[in-house]
Amino acid sequence: DIQMTQSPSSLSASVGDTVTITCRASQTIRTYLNWYQQKPGKAPKLLISAASSLQSDVPSRFSGSGSGTDFILTISSLQPEDFATYFCQQSYNTPELTFGGGTKVEIK
Amino acid sequence: QLQLQESGPGLVKPSETLSLTCTVSGGSISSSSFYWVWIRQPPGKGLEWIGSIYYTGTAYYNPSLKSRVTISVDTSKNQFSLKLNSVTAADTAVYYCARTERSTYYPTDYWGQGTLVTVSS
Repeated sequence: DIQMTQSPSSLSASVGDTVTITCRASQTIRTYLNWYQQKPGKAPKLLISAASSLQSDVPSRFSGSGSGTDFILTISSLQPEDFATYFCQQSYNTPELTFGGGTKVEIK
Repeated sequence: QLQLQESGPGLVKPSETLSLTCTVSGGSISSSSFYWVWIRQPPGKGLEWIGSIYYTGTAYYNPSLKSRVTISVDTSKNQFSLKLNSVTAADTAVYYCARTERSTYYPTDYWGQGTLVTVSS
């Protein structure tokens, strides 16, 4: 099975900062990589699919890149509503899904 | 707008069976375009895929849970269900039902609000 490793597990940043989160797959998953945002007490929300395709209701300050085994989620000009936990997920083996451990973005 | 809603007991005793149902509204569970999924999240931890089912009833399970899990679908009620037997405290989690598109990159695009199930005597 495919393992997904995210780093860092948490980070502190200020409003206006640019934040990068890394996700690594244990084998190539081409671009079968999705990113989710989860706020406390809420279900995850799909932000990016296919490694870089932004969902229609997601602000353009979010971007995704990568292919193969290494992927990056970038949040430019961090806003107060962006403080949340972010998960990557591989869908290469769909219907079997695997998530990364999550990255909590906290206010500095 | 598609909506998914989990329902079932919030408290289950150790060694018993956890049973949850997900009711889908605003769309048909019988569409060939989707898998229907159960995912869980222990308090303060990450997300774990439990299993997925297609409207035909074909199910796929996480190997680590496969011996204890059954997922079924009832197209007449637009529902799918989860049964997890022989539960322990380690099965305490928020359980989410969700939908995965059977499109090019298979995003999981709709989620229920989640329901907390506590395993305790």
